[in-house]
Amino acid sequence: DSGVTQTPKHLITATGQRVTLRCSPRSGDLSVYWYQQSLDQGLQFLIQYYNGEERAKGNILERFSAQQFPDLHSELNLSSLELGDSALYFCASSFAGTTNEQYFGPGTRLTVT
Amino acid sequence: DAKTTQPPSMDCAEGRAANLPCNHSTISGNEYVYWYRQIHSQGPQYIIHGLKNNETNEMASLIITEDRKSSTLILPHATLRDTAVYYCIVRAGTSGSRLTFGEGTQLTVNP
Repeated sequence: DSGVTQTPKHLITATGQRVTLRCSPRSGDLSVYWYQQSLDQGLQFLIQYYNGEERAKGNILERFSAQQFPDLHSELNLSSLELGDSALYFCASSFAGTTNEQYFGPGTRLTVT
Repeated sequence: DAKTTQPPSMDCAEGRAANLPCNHSTISGNEYVYWYRQIHSQGPQYIIHGLKNNETNEMASLIITEDRKSSTLILPHATLRDTAVYYCIVRAGTSGSRLTFGEGTQLTVNP
């Protein structure tokens, strides 16, 4: 158990819909990262937040957005969902925003039908 | 990030040592070698990292060659639960943010 929690574990929704994925980092960690893992793309970095501020952005679609709240939990919002958005979404956390030791949650499996 | 090369798959007998190689011939002086693993569909798990000295923790040992162009992750007594994809990542120590996961090595531990 990494100490990072993600909800929900599974999500099934229809194309065009909007969903919110939630992540609670390890106690004391200030940085949160979001990754997407699909069958054909592997693990892809989406976005990083550090202490409430966006720190780095990867190949995150404009239909996707994220935020980190004052209590340090984070939410990833996915809108206008397409079949290709079906994937595992992982959240990771670290104490600092500059470390490469990241601790991953169990993931949310999103299925878009 | 320096490019890394890992074999796509390896097998190991349960109870034996698993030695997973990684080539990183373009590594820079300030870049560390990190190892993660991902057990099927679970979140990746940090294992160990090192700069130039050999490192050991409760999970594994990391051996880095003197020229730092390659390294080996050693699981001393592999168990069935060690079956996973193992990723070798080379990054500057304080670069933070995105981790770039390549194809990794699928390690299968056989009974």
